[in-house]
Amino acid sequence: AQSVTQPDIHITVSEGASLELRCNYSYGATPYLFWYVQSPGQGLQLLLKYFSGDTLVQGIKGFEAEFKRSQSSFNLRKPSVHWSDAAEYFCAVGGPRDYKLSFGAGTTVTVRA
Amino acid sequence: GAVVSQHPSRVICKSGTSVKIECRSLDFQATTMFWYRQFPKQSLMLMATSNEGSKATYEQGVEKDKFLINHASLTLSTLTVTSAHPEDSSFYICSARRTGNLNEQYFGPGTRLTVT
Repeated sequence: AQSVTQPDIHITVSEGASLELRCNYSYGATPYLFWYVQSPGQGLQLLLKYFSGDTLVQGIKGFEAEFKRSQSSFNLRKPSVHWSDAAEYFCAVGGPRDYKLSFGAGTTVTVRA
Repeated sequence: GAVVSQHPSRVICKSGTSVKIECRSLDFQATTMFWYRQFPKQSLMLMATSNEGSKATYEQGVEKDKFLINHASLTLSTLTVTSAHPEDSSFYICSARRTGNLNEQYFGPGTRLTVT
């Protein structure tokens, strides 16, 4: 069975500071990994995805994530956060033939001035 | 590209009535669409997978007679909540997988259902 764990329920970060959100996954084969962001009352927007190849992937809005197979992790990072980055962030895992995605519980990011 | 819309964005209905939610892929064809339910401050829970021209596949614990899903075309899937009750109040989100695409889902903006 596939699953995702996001250990941090809530993170508060100062504007301009760096941000790292943790994601650990469980999947029986090579995983497809995703990070989504959700603003209040909105749907999900894809930040970035990993299917194969370079383990450091770049996404939109200045985000990047690194796939580490040995640690079953896919942590999301941003060097300098902006107030507009305050949102809910979801990590998800799927596979090449299983189109269903499993989502983590999410991490709420609060940005303080 | 890859825009998914949902209609309505918000709906309030009375207990016992049925509500239909539409999910459309606006600029691509979607062989597969997914319906999720999200409770406040919680993650997305997959309810069912909808394939064009065939019956939907429901996740364990989801009542197929209560949540009717139809995927009549490559750009439209509908979710009908039948005989709605207050416990059905939730945020319903659909997503669509582009035909031929590996496994990237594009999400709609969600529909807030409130049953009174």
